Amino acid sequence: QKEVEQNSGPLSVPEGAIASLNCTYSDRGSQSFFWYRQYSGKSPELIMFIYSNGDKEDGRFTAQLNKASQYVSLLIRDSQPSDSATYLCAVNKNSGNTPLVFGKGTRLSVIA
Amino acid sequence: EAGVAQSPRYKIIEKRQSVAFWCNPISGHATLYWYQQILGQGPKLLIQFQNNGVVDDSQLPKDRFSAERLKGVDSTLKIQPAKLEDSAVYLCASSPATNQPQHFGDGTRLSIL
Repeated sequence: QKEVEQNSGPLSVPEGAIASLNCTYSDRGSQSFFWYRQYSGKSPELIMFIYSNGDKEDGRFTAQLNKASQYVSLLIRDSQPSDSATYLCAVNKNSGNTPLVFGKGTRLSVIA
Repeated sequence: EAGVAQSPRYKIIEKRQSVAFWCNPISGHATLYWYQQILGQGPKLLIQFQNNGVVDDSQLPKDRFSAERLKGVDSTLKIQPAKLEDSAVYLCASSPATNQPQHFGDGTRLSIL
């Protein structure tokens, strides 16, 4: 089982809709969860991080964490064509010096 | 606040040659990371430094890759000799401390001929 799994997509949503990106992880000891956005040919850019169960909102972005189900998601409200990118989920244990483990990313396409 | 600086942006070499990449982290960030990102994959950690000490290098191919952060600020990553499978983007990231959000540089795109 892969440590961090994401559907590679592409996920296509119409402009103005809600985009829902999902990520599952295998290590129950994981404590820190990050979402990065990566435009083609660019480096990853941090969007959100979440440490506790529940929802965390920042503008049009909401991160949702369910540790019991080992599931973290990112919702993008009012999706814009400029949101079209690959979204990377990253997870680590937040104890000791364990490395951040990235999923392969989900490619999102917002259609105008 | 200045971001993570990396150079060069692009490098093309032939297999068996050597290459070096440079990274300057965000000022004050104690933790520095080197990642390898192959097309279509997420970044894979090669090495993590805390100040000038190595925290994790378990996925660094030590027979050909080396990295240093002598003064706890800048870092260099070297590949010698390069193989075709080393073609990738090499990303440097930094964070204030371990397990805090990481910020990435623009990366170096390496092509091996």
